Amino acid sequence: EAAVTQSPRNKVAVTGGKVTLSCNQTNNHNNMYWYRQDTGHGLRLIHYSYGAGSTEKGDIPDGYKASRPSQENFSLILELATPSQTSVYFCASGEGDCNQDTQYFGPGTRLLVL
Amino acid sequence: GEQVEQLPSILRVQEGSSASINCSYEDSASNYFPWYKQEPGENPKLIIDIRSNMERKQIQELIVLLDKKAKRFSLHITDTQPGDSAMYFCAASLTGANTGKLTFGHGTILRVHP
Repeated sequence: EAAVTQSPRNKVAVTGGKVTLSCNQTNNHNNMYWYRQDTGHGLRLIHYSYGAGSTEKGDIPDGYKASRPSQENFSLILELATPSQTSVYFCASGEGDCNQDTQYFGPGTRLLVL
Repeated sequence: GEQVEQLPSILRVQEGSSASINCSYEDSASNYFPWYKQEPGENPKLIIDIRSNMERKQIQELIVLLDKKAKRFSLHITDTQPGDSAMYFCAASLTGANTGKLTFGHGTILRVHP
């Protein structure tokens, strides 16, 4: 199974502060994704990437930026954190082609914005 | 974009009985439908998937049915066990080069009672 790791695993931030969530995958997958999970909403896609240097807006990108500096790393950046961004964030990776499109999820990051 | 509806939101069954979760989607171009299981405090894990060239797929006690005409798909767990208790998510996507973006349903909490 693909190895996807996230850091930090837990984070407490203050309103207006900058938060960076990091994701690393070691299976050379082309695609990487950032989701947030909230009760009653399931998993919602924030940003995704098709490869190093690429970032695309997902379904709920407002208030978030993303960065894919390499094949292995994909970061989610909250420039000005707000309490509404308190959530559990999951990173995932996948091959992104028609025969190998399974997504593998990291362990998640719990973010609390006070 | 794609929208996925998932019902029921909570499902309680007796051990040994069957459990069924139903999902519907809007985009007729979607061609990949995975199901994920998420234990409390854990990340979502793929348990079974089906592609649009199939109508039925079975892995042990898991059966997935796909009705492309009605744009509906469903997960059936036969002979449920307490270990099947978890959150289940359906998802839909259009696979191929530079795609693979999943849209998730809101999830179903399955409780299997002894």
